[in-house]
Amino acid sequence: AQSVTQLGSHVSVSEGALVLLRCNYSSSVPPYLFWYVQYPNQGLQLLLKYTTGATLVKGINGFEAEFKKSETSFHLTKPSAHMSDAAEYFCAVSDIRGSNYKLTFGKGTLLTVNP
Amino acid sequence: GAVVSQHPSRVICKSGTSVKIECRSLDFQATTMFWYRQFPKKSLMLMATSNEGSKATYEQGVEKDKFLINHASLTLSTLTVTSAHPEDSSFYICSVNDHRSSYEQYFGPGTRLTVT
Repeated sequence: AQSVTQLGSHVSVSEGALVLLRCNYSSSVPPYLFWYVQYPNQGLQLLLKYTTGATLVKGINGFEAEFKKSETSFHLTKPSAHMSDAAEYFCAVSDIRGSNYKLTFGKGTLLTVNP
Repeated sequence: GAVVSQHPSRVICKSGTSVKIECRSLDFQATTMFWYRQFPKKSLMLMATSNEGSKATYEQGVEKDKFLINHASLTLSTLTVTSAHPEDSSFYICSVNDHRSSYEQYFGPGTRLTVT
């Protein structure tokens, strides 16, 4: 079975500071990994994904994440936080063995950005 | 990416009544859709996988007779919460599987259900 652990349910940074949201996964097969962002009372928006190939992936809004197989990690970073980055962030792993690619989500990390 | 809509965005119903939530794929035909439930301050819980023209596949612990799913066309899936109770109050989100890159899911904006 697959699982995702997001360390830190709440991360608070100052505007302009580095954002680091941690995600570790467990998977018996090579994982497909995703980061989604959710603003209040809205659905989820895909930030970035890793499937194969380059382990450093870049996404929208200046975010990037690095797949580290040895550490089973897929941490999300952004060099300089903006107020508009305040939201809930979810890391997810896809079960590629089935044809439907079901997603397993972490519990989420709420990012607050202080002026 | 795919564009997904949900209707209604917010609904309040009385205990014992049924409510239907629609999920539409607006710009492509979706053979597979997913229904999630999200509790406050919690992650998304997959309820079921909806396949066009066949019965939905429910996750363990989800009552199929209470949460009826119909995927009658390639652009529409519906979730009906039957005989709703206050504990069914939640945020329900659907997603579609983009066959053009089959591992990607695109999410609808969600439906806030409140049962009084």
